[in-house]
Amino acid sequence: QKEVEQDPGPLSVPEGAIVSLNCTYSNSAFQYFMWYRQYSRKGPELLMYTYSSGNKEDGRFTAQVDKSSKYISLFIRDSQPSDSATYLCATSWGTASKLTFGTGTRLQVTL
Amino acid sequence: GAVVSQHPSRVICKSGTSVKIECRSLDFQATTMFWYRQFPKQSLMLMATSNEGSKATYEQGVEKDKFLINHASLTLSTLTVTSAHPEDSSFYICSAKRTGSYNEQFFGPGTRLTVL
Repeated sequence: QKEVEQDPGPLSVPEGAIVSLNCTYSNSAFQYFMWYRQYSRKGPELLMYTYSSGNKEDGRFTAQVDKSSKYISLFIRDSQPSDSATYLCATSWGTASKLTFGTGTRLQVTL
Repeated sequence: GAVVSQHPSRVICKSGTSVKIECRSLDFQATTMFWYRQFPKQSLMLMATSNEGSKATYEQGVEKDKFLINHASLTLSTLTVTSAHPEDSSFYICSAKRTGSYNEQFFGPGTRLTVL
């Protein structure tokens, strides 16, 4: 079993839709949770960074962490074609900084 | 802020040659940098953790003599792929952790290596 599981997609939604991206993880020691966006042939870009359980909102993006169920989510409101990319979740157990990534979900927002 | 650059962005080399890739944190100091490898449509695979002024820590299965890492300053880490072979062709990405911060890693744009 992988430490972080993520549906690879592809996920196709119409412009303006609410997108829900999810990951599950197995290691209850994970404390830090991140979402990265990666465009084709580019490096990942940090979108959201959360510590422990709870919600965090930044513009159209909301990150949720439920440590009791080991489930993390990223919601994108009013999705735009420019949101089309691969979204990677990542976790870490502490300040050791080694990140464990999911496989990434490819999102396509259509006009 | 938190910009990381990589050079070159793309390199094509002959089998048996060595290739050096640079990773720089442009507007912050990075005590720790990381090197990843990514195959098409796959996630990032951590190769090694590079700490300024000390030897890199390699992940299991990564040959340290083949992938030489040097982190000589707080803003620069280099990865040298020695005696490259076609199976080393991949997308290599570095990231940097800002000194004093927790786990936020900022990624470079990546280097696409093609070994003929």
